[in-house]
Amino acid sequence: EVQLLESGGGLVQPGGSLRLSCAASGFTFTSYAMNWVRQAPGKGLEWVSAISGSGGSTYYVDSVRGRFIISRDNSKNTLYLQVNSLRAEDTAVYYCAKDRAKRGTYSGSGDYWGQGTLVTVSS
Amino acid sequence: DIQMTQSPSSLSASVGDRVTITCRASQGISNSLAWFQQRPGKAPKSLIYAASSLESGVPSKFSGSGSGTDFTLTITSLQPEDFATYYCQQYNGFPPTFGQGTKLEIK
Repeated sequence: EVQLLESGGGLVQPGGSLRLSCAASGFTFTSYAMNWVRQAPGKGLEWVSAISGSGGSTYYVDSVRGRFIISRDNSKNTLYLQVNSLRAEDTAVYYCAKDRAKRGTYSGSGDYWGQGTLVTVSS
Repeated sequence: DIQMTQSPSSLSASVGDRVTITCRASQGISNSLAWFQQRPGKAPKSLIYAASSLESGVPSKFSGSGSGTDFTLTITSLQPEDFATYYCQQYNGFPPTFGQGTKLEIK
């Protein structure tokens, strides 16, 4: 059974940083790209970032490029998102999602999702 | 970015009804379209990928169709657990983008 468990969210001041984690189990982690998708309170879904199975390729939406860093530790089956220079508009639940594409390539669409971790940016 | 427009934004239906939700892309995306269901306070769940392929374990009451720019999600024999918000997502262009959602409510 695929399981994804996010952690690391919390309340942070504008300009601050957090590191989000996503612990994966139930599948061969290195064989799949991984995605982060966020949802602001009461709003729709926004794809944020992705990383290939090897970690060699990374992808970002324009609004976070240069502020967020996606990475993975395949020895620990864990995905990360370092979120820096946070703004009020980054307030959202952040979901990690296993990519549906095979062989570690990226599609940007997730077939399994974690329960999410809430990031609140406020002074 | 490719814009995804869902209609309607909200929909009222009764248990046992059949409903259809549409999703239109601002440019052609082949069949690179997925549909998700999100219940309140829960994570999205993938229902359909490649426009018409049913995810493993998803009941056949859900079906998808379309290609290019116009897509539909049809749900038959609505049950209480089907009342949720549904999103389409294109993954042909970069960045991947979602529709604004369709909230399906009980009449």
